[in-house]
Amino acid sequence: DAGVIQSPRHEVTEMGQEVTLRCKPISGHDYLFWYRQTMMRGLELLIYFNNNVPIDDSGMPEDRFSAKMPNASFSTLKIQPSEPRDSAVYFCASTPSTPSWGTQYFGPGTRLTVL
Amino acid sequence: AQTVTQSQPEMSVQEAETVTLSCTYDTSESDYYLFWYKQPPSRQMILVIRQEAYKQQNATENRFSVNFQKAAKSFSLKISDSQLGDAAMYFCAYRIQGGSEKLVFGKGTKLTVNP
Repeated sequence: DAGVIQSPRHEVTEMGQEVTLRCKPISGHDYLFWYRQTMMRGLELLIYFNNNVPIDDSGMPEDRFSAKMPNASFSTLKIQPSEPRDSAVYFCASTPSTPSWGTQYFGPGTRLTVL
Repeated sequence: AQTVTQSQPEMSVQEAETVTLSCTYDTSESDYYLFWYKQPPSRQMILVIRQEAYKQQNATENRFSVNFQKAAKSFSLKISDSQLGDAAMYFCAYRIQGGSEKLVFGKGTKLTVNP
């Protein structure tokens, strides 16, 4: 299997621009997670989906952030408008519901820089 | 709320020596899973080892083993015969069995391996 795929790997944008991060989970995995990693806050869960349905978005920092999962093989995390404090590494991870021990498989991450 | 604490922000070890990374967690649950993830400079999050709380026996994976003390809520990672490629950030994580699929991560320990 190719593993979790994320694109782009690096994104540099200017404040106020819209940013879209993309994720393809491992085939057959029915849970998908979006995380943000910064030096100050560590690894934070933003939102996760089960069978394409958002289950918990309590970690989404504010309305500028939105996430969608239109089908089992694709998810997006959008920031509009972006701000410098959004600069971070964004990870996507997936896990199957069975077996149930919940090992999450991470993508390589997208390093976002907002100028 | 469940919390995971890694009290050692940084550790170092000589190549071929053994090092132990500490992790404690706080939970009122009896069934859960614990994980150690490794994040090398490439920033890819890689599962190192997993422990089911109901299992008495400590998990091992080649040079990696854990010391799971359920009553003390302690889950340390031992790396034997350390190699240069072991240099990375190591994250301890916790997940309730049968509940949310969310992982709760510690802040991480940066391991340096000296030649």
